[in-house]
Amino acid sequence: SAVISQKPSRDICQRGTSLTIQCQVDSQVTMMFWYRQQPGQSLTLIATANQGSEATYESGFVIDKFPISRPNLTFSTLTVSNMSPEDSSIYLCSVGTDYNSPLHFGNGTRLTVT
Amino acid sequence: QKEVEQDPGPLSVPEGAIVSLNCTYSNSAFQYFMWYRQYSRKGPELLMYTYSSGNKEDGRFTAQVDKSSKYISLFIRDSQPSDSATYLCAMSEGGNTPLVFGKGTRLSVIA
Repeated sequence: SAVISQKPSRDICQRGTSLTIQCQVDSQVTMMFWYRQQPGQSLTLIATANQGSEATYESGFVIDKFPISRPNLTFSTLTVSNMSPEDSSIYLCSVGTDYNSPLHFGNGTRLTVT
Repeated sequence: QKEVEQDPGPLSVPEGAIVSLNCTYSNSAFQYFMWYRQYSRKGPELLMYTYSSGNKEDGRFTAQVDKSSKYISLFIRDSQPSDSATYLCAMSEGGNTPLVFGKGTRLSVIA
């Protein structure tokens, strides 16, 4: 399966600032997704990162808060904008061949907002 | 009622025990079922992937899907301390619908 590298692995940020998380895959993949994992909660899909076009966001997530880029088939970024303590969570990049295939995950970015 | 229900545990068992982990779901359109294992400070790792009903075995792991009861299980035989992790079930309808995850069950295998 693909090797997925996420940077940074963790960060502590101040309220009102923004953080950009990078996801690099060692091979070309069709689907790239961004998930959020909050303590005691299910993994929640934020958006599908579409290569060369705007990301597709799930209900409750908007582009102004979570802008996503995907310039090619191996790389994507997720920005968490104007952060508040409620944004403290683990953010995970995942990849797959299509919606029916199992996803593979990076190790995540552990974000704490103070 | 949430789409996918999973007992969060924690579940603590002695080494060598048979472990049974379960999820129930409400959406009868789910047809792809997965189990992930997540170690602390790591991303979820795919363990088992099944389509529709039936059983699938891989080493010490067996996944079962009962679509009539909307119930899936993961069995771990001869459990080892290295199996200590959080286990997440996930499922999807297929097509352009995303995976829906359970909250995960935290398992501890005591040597």
